[in-house]
Amino acid sequence: KAGVTQTPRYLIKTRGQQVTLSCSPISGHRSVSWYQQTPGQGLQFLFEYFSETQRNKGNFPGRFSGRQFSNSRSEMNVSTLELGDSALYLCASRVDRGPSYNEQFFGPGTRLTVL
Amino acid sequence: DAKTTQPPSMDCAEGRAANLPCNHSTISGNEYVYWYRQIHSQGPQYIIHGLKNNETNEMASLIITEDRKSSTLILPHATLRDTAVYYCIAGGRETSYDKVIFGPGTSLSVIP
Repeated sequence: KAGVTQTPRYLIKTRGQQVTLSCSPISGHRSVSWYQQTPGQGLQFLFEYFSETQRNKGNFPGRFSGRQFSNSRSEMNVSTLELGDSALYLCASRVDRGPSYNEQFFGPGTRLTVL
Repeated sequence: DAKTTQPPSMDCAEGRAANLPCNHSTISGNEYVYWYRQIHSQGPQYIIHGLKNNETNEMASLIITEDRKSSTLILPHATLRDTAVYYCIAGGRETSYDKVIFGPGTSLSVIP
């Protein structure tokens, strides 16, 4: 079974631009979560989508948004980029029921650099 | 949801058992202990989880104290590929991950 895939793997943008990152979950997983990881703040939860609906949201400004499609693929968008948005953005998927409910499977991440 | 504390770093000789402790003194009765690890430049990888009983899988063993205030992840025969940051987190079976806190973890270095 293929793992979680994220595209692109690396991205360089300038301040003020916007960016869209993509995540394809493991087949059969309907929950997709996004995280931001920086050296200073560690791994921080952004939001979770389930069946095309945002189910949970972390403490990030409205510039960070996401969506999920009917095939469970998800995108996240960051508008008006700031230098502090430079980070590794991780996507994780999980099953929506059963004993493995809370085991998350992470993708390799997208490394975003804002200049 | 419980906060966890872990030592910032540990060393382990290759081939020996690596014992990584985690303190979760405020864990509630229905919260599980989960372990993930993150090898440099990769996404975190799920290792194991448990509630009360000790657990073992092909990757590791998890020992949870009887009062559930702490636990130990055991890698029985550490290899160089086990060098990673190990995260111990606590959350309910139904907990959404917005309430789960990934702390700084323990950076394990396996030494040849």
